[in-house]
Amino acid sequence: GQNIDQPTEMTATEGAIVQINCTYQTSGFNGLFWYQQHAGEAPTFLSYNVLDGLEEKGRFSSFLSRSKGYSYLLLKELQMKDSASYLCAVKDSNYQLIWGAGTKLIIKP
Amino acid sequence: ETGVTQTPRHLVMGMTNKKSLKCEQHLGHNAMYWYKQSAKKPLELMFVYSLEERVENNSVPSRFSPECPNSSHLFLHLHTLQPEDSALYLCASSQESTSGANVLTFGAGSRLTVL
Repeated sequence: GQNIDQPTEMTATEGAIVQINCTYQTSGFNGLFWYQQHAGEAPTFLSYNVLDGLEEKGRFSSFLSRSKGYSYLLLKELQMKDSASYLCAVKDSNYQLIWGAGTKLIIKP
Repeated sequence: ETGVTQTPRHLVMGMTNKKSLKCEQHLGHNAMYWYKQSAKKPLELMFVYSLEERVENNSVPSRFSPECPNSSHLFLHLHTLQPEDSALYLCASSQESTSGANVLTFGAGSRLTVL
């Protein structure tokens, strides 16, 4: 079967750096997505990786290794507003999105 | 209005009621989706309308019935639901293409409680 694994919950300190990992086993690969979802709000798109390497977008970066079935989302200079759930999703060979259960990130002052 | 709008935001219904969830997108996208989000579980795709044709998930019970009258509006009709159907129902839209990321834009969701 197809599976996306990410930690259920992480805690970090304001101003620090945190890395949220995502590993996947899917039938084929056509891209990996990260979404952010604040409590009670819509998930919003953060990043898309289809080739190996690091994509940087301001304080957020996303890394992909297709050979290892692995990605991470790196958040720098953490702010309280970064407290949210982070969803990893992979598009398989049929272009269907397979979702992880999400990582709840708690930022402490 | 911009983006994807869902109504109602909260709905409480009995098991014998009939209700509908509404979604409207103002982005000119050509695909719309219903997802179910339960606590600590992955998003579950229920229905997709791509170019106004429905693609079904065969595991969705028949007590959920989608309707897509045009490319901007999507409904989810609910009938004789069960308590385990209580969840957040998310609508999303995207611009389908043969290349590119096809990023989803989500609404804020309708929180459904079935008593």
